[in-house]
Amino acid sequence: GAVVSQHPSWVICKSGTSVKIECRSLDFQATTMFWYRQFPKQSLMLMATSNEGSKATYEQGVEKDKFLINHASLTLSTLTVTSAHPEDSSFYICSARPPPATSGARNEQFFGPGTRLTVL
Amino acid sequence: LAKTTQPISMDSYEGQEVNITCSHNNIATNDYITWYQQFPSQGPRFIIQGYKTKVTNEVASLFIPADRKSSTLSLPRVSLSDTAVYYCLVGDNQAGTALIFGKGTTLSVSS
Repeated sequence: GAVVSQHPSWVICKSGTSVKIECRSLDFQATTMFWYRQFPKQSLMLMATSNEGSKATYEQGVEKDKFLINHASLTLSTLTVTSAHPEDSSFYICSARPPPATSGARNEQFFGPGTRLTVL
Repeated sequence: LAKTTQPISMDSYEGQEVNITCSHNNIATNDYITWYQQFPSQGPRFIIQGYKTKVTNEVASLFIPADRKSSTLSLPRVSLSDTAVYYCLVGDNQAGTALIFGKGTTLSVSS
């Protein structure tokens, strides 16, 4: 099946610094990618929808100036956590769905392995 | 988007069949029902998807009644490695539509 990768898999940073997380669709093109955040023992929470060549759409309550999303190509979306603080520590997961013509009958969405962010 | 309701947790023993039921009373005509599995510190993984009746693949079966207001994920003969969180999601599967996750069901399998 299709593969979505994320880099880095984990990162530790100091409070106030910015961290960039990459999400790549390795064997398909994705005009749309999604970013989720997951706190311990909680479900995934949708943060934003990343659209190639245009601005991302953020969910209510997610600060667009703090979580910068860039979807510059059909295989890469980046999430930058600016001026990170300890409360931003979380597990960030991206996902994408291949175009219907290539996804087969399942029409499934593929998730990256996640990035563990720890802000000290 | 249709909201889903699942049991928070379930316990089972190795070798048993596990059935996890999900309620989605407000499912729309174009919505599919999809189940994902998530292990700690990993991204969710697709298990099975269906629209109506019964679907079976190499890892699970999905039973959907005629009114489609609920669905049941059936895991045959679970093993310790099936311990995970299972999410039931309902959506129209369009490429630009995000999956909205509910709380999921934490399945614990013991020996």
